[in-house]
Amino acid sequence: NAGVTQTPKFQVLKTGQSMTLQCAQDMNHEYMSWYRQDPGMGLRLIHYSVGAGITDQGEVPNGYNVSRSTTEDFPLRLLSAAPSQTSVYFCASRRELGANVLTFGAGSRLTVL
Amino acid sequence: AQSVTQPDIHITVSEGASLELRCNYSYGATPYLFWYVQSPGQGLQLLLKYFSGDTLVQGIKGFEAEFKRSQSSFNLRKPSVHWSDAAEYFCAVGASGATNKLIFGTGTLLAVQP
Repeated sequence: NAGVTQTPKFQVLKTGQSMTLQCAQDMNHEYMSWYRQDPGMGLRLIHYSVGAGITDQGEVPNGYNVSRSTTEDFPLRLLSAAPSQTSVYFCASRRELGANVLTFGAGSRLTVL
Repeated sequence: AQSVTQPDIHITVSEGASLELRCNYSYGATPYLFWYVQSPGQGLQLLLKYFSGDTLVQGIKGFEAEFKRSQSSFNLRKPSVHWSDAAEYFCAVGASGATNKLIFGTGTLLAVQP
């Protein structure tokens, strides 16, 4: 199994540009989530999904959109990038609702100029 | 609301010395508790978890952690540190109920001196 796959690994954007960070898992996990990691702030939850067609906001959802059309994929969209969105983004998934062990992707480093 | 505090931002230990990383949590009910490790440029790997039962839990790479409800703590320990343990360590708390959110601490960066 590949686990959780994130693409791209690195991306540089200009302010106002849009882009999508891709996340795919092949473990048939119902729950998927996006975190951002910033120095001194740990990981903060952006959005999460408990199944296809269901998404909800985390701690820091502003500026980000998500959708979940399939069990496997959970893309994170930045519609108009801002320098404050410079961060490392992690996608994570887990098998079922009550079991909180997350499997993380390798991360996507985004720089917004 | 759930919260996690890791009071030590940076710790340096000598190789072969013992290690204890502190984690305090705030949660009204019985929490799920986790320690994750992140090597440079990598994603997070689960070291160990506590859901219920024995309050001393064993993890991978020789790590252990003890859940102390009276102190709201879940400190991570290792009796003898190896140079390869240099990494950032994150404590996290999740609710045992219906919530799907896992809240992370700010991390402790471990440096290992030869």
